[in-house]
Amino acid sequence: NAGVTQTPKFQVLKTGQSMTLQCAQDMNHNSMYWYRQDPGMGLRLIYYSASEGTTDKGEVPNGYNVSRLNKREFSLRLESAAPSQTSVYFCASSEWAQGYNEQFFGPGTRLTVL
Amino acid sequence: AQSVTQLGSHVSVSEGALVLLRCNYSSSVPPYLFWYVQYPNQGLQLLLKYTTGATLVKGINGFEAEFKKSETSFHLTKPSAHMSDAAEYFCAVTTPVRFTPRDMRFGAGTRLTVKP
Repeated sequence: NAGVTQTPKFQVLKTGQSMTLQCAQDMNHNSMYWYRQDPGMGLRLIYYSASEGTTDKGEVPNGYNVSRLNKREFSLRLESAAPSQTSVYFCASSEWAQGYNEQFFGPGTRLTVL
Repeated sequence: AQSVTQLGSHVSVSEGALVLLRCNYSSSVPPYLFWYVQYPNQGLQLLLKYTTGATLVKGINGFEAEFKKSETSFHLTKPSAHMSDAAEYFCAVTTPVRFTPRDMRFGAGTRLTVKP
C-alpha cells in the first residue's frame, strides 16, 4: 500500500518549457488535489477533482491545467513554465471532497524554473 | 473568508523541553482547525483536528492543541520534545458550512528544531 505517489521528485525547467506532474493513489479515494507550497506562504490549492470526470479550480489555478485520468490518477500540466512557478508541488487525496475528509499527501515534486 | 497566522517561522527547543507552536485564526463562523506535520522530504500528515465538542484535542506522537474561541487560538503543545519531533508544522482552518476544498487555508508553517 504505497498511498499517494508523485513523479518526478525533482525537475528543472527553462522558462517556456512544458511538463506534466504525475500523481497516483491506491486508497480508492474519490477526490484528489494539487497544491503548491512556497516559503512563507503555506499550501495553496491549485486544482482539485471531487470525483472521477470532474475538476475544479482552486485558489491559484492560473498557468496550470489538470486531468483526472481515472479514479487513481490526477496529473498537473504546466504548458509554458514561468519562474513564478518554482515551488514544491503536492498531490493529495481524500475519500470525498464534500464535508471535511482527511487528506493524504504525496511526498512532493520540487520544481525549479530558470 | 477565514485565515490563519502562525507566530514564529522557526522555533528551537532542547530535547525534553516543552514545545509550544502558536496559531491564531480568523473566521466569521465556528471553524474547523487542524495541525499538520511535514517531516523532511515527505508530504503533510494530519497531527490532530478540532471540529466540535471537547476543546482540548489530542493527536499523534503526544501532541495536543486547545481551541480557545475567546483568544481565536489553536496552539499546539507537547510536554517533552523528542529529537524525532523536528519537522515543519502547519496550522490550517476551514469552515464546516458548505465546506469545499477551496475554503481550506494553511498557515505559513513553523519549523521546529530540537537540540540534543
